[in-house]
Amino acid sequence: NAGVTQTPKFQVLKTGQSMTLQCAQDMNHNSMYWYRQDPGMGLRLIYYSASEGTTDKGEVPNGYNVSRLNKREFSLRLESAAPSQTSVYFCASRGNTGELFFGEGSRLTVL
Amino acid sequence: QKEVEQDPGPLSVPEGAIVSLNCTYSNSAFQYFMWYRQYSRKGPELLMYTYSSGNKEDGRFTAQVDKSSKYISLFIRDSQPSDSATYLCAIGWGANNLFFGTGTRLTVIP
Repeated sequence: NAGVTQTPKFQVLKTGQSMTLQCAQDMNHNSMYWYRQDPGMGLRLIYYSASEGTTDKGEVPNGYNVSRLNKREFSLRLESAAPSQTSVYFCASRGNTGELFFGEGSRLTVL
Repeated sequence: QKEVEQDPGPLSVPEGAIVSLNCTYSNSAFQYFMWYRQYSRKGPELLMYTYSSGNKEDGRFTAQVDKSSKYISLFIRDSQPSDSATYLCAIGWGANNLFFGTGTRLTVIP
């Protein structure tokens, strides 16, 4: 049982480049989330999708876009990367009793 | 004021010790209280989850919620080296409105 799978695990970008982080879950969950984790800041919600076809902004959505491709997949796109977007990004899906299941993270460095 | 405050540590204890990890929160409307464990370079995994005040026990772990003081705790009994990780509290009124603490790094020394 793979749970939540994120790709890529590591990425280095130059300022202004674009990229997409991919996330897939195999637990048939309706809700999916993208968080970023920074030292001293904790996990902060970027965007979430309560169900297929819907997306909503979280605490820190600026500079990001998302797509809920189907029930399994939820992608995060950086259109023009900035050094402030250097972070570890986590995708999560929500179980029936509210718990979050996280992927292993994608480490992004923007030079 | 942050929604959730957590002492970042680090905390270092000998094997077998009782560990106490704590968080405070600001909004009395919060009703979801969770503890996650995160090993280095891994994603967080859920340890404990409760809606209400009082204690909840699971093996060596006890989660305690005091809504009147807006304070939650996680106790680890008979701590093991495998418990060495960062512990995150998460508090809110739903998964879409969940605030995470910054995490406390714990090291259990054999």
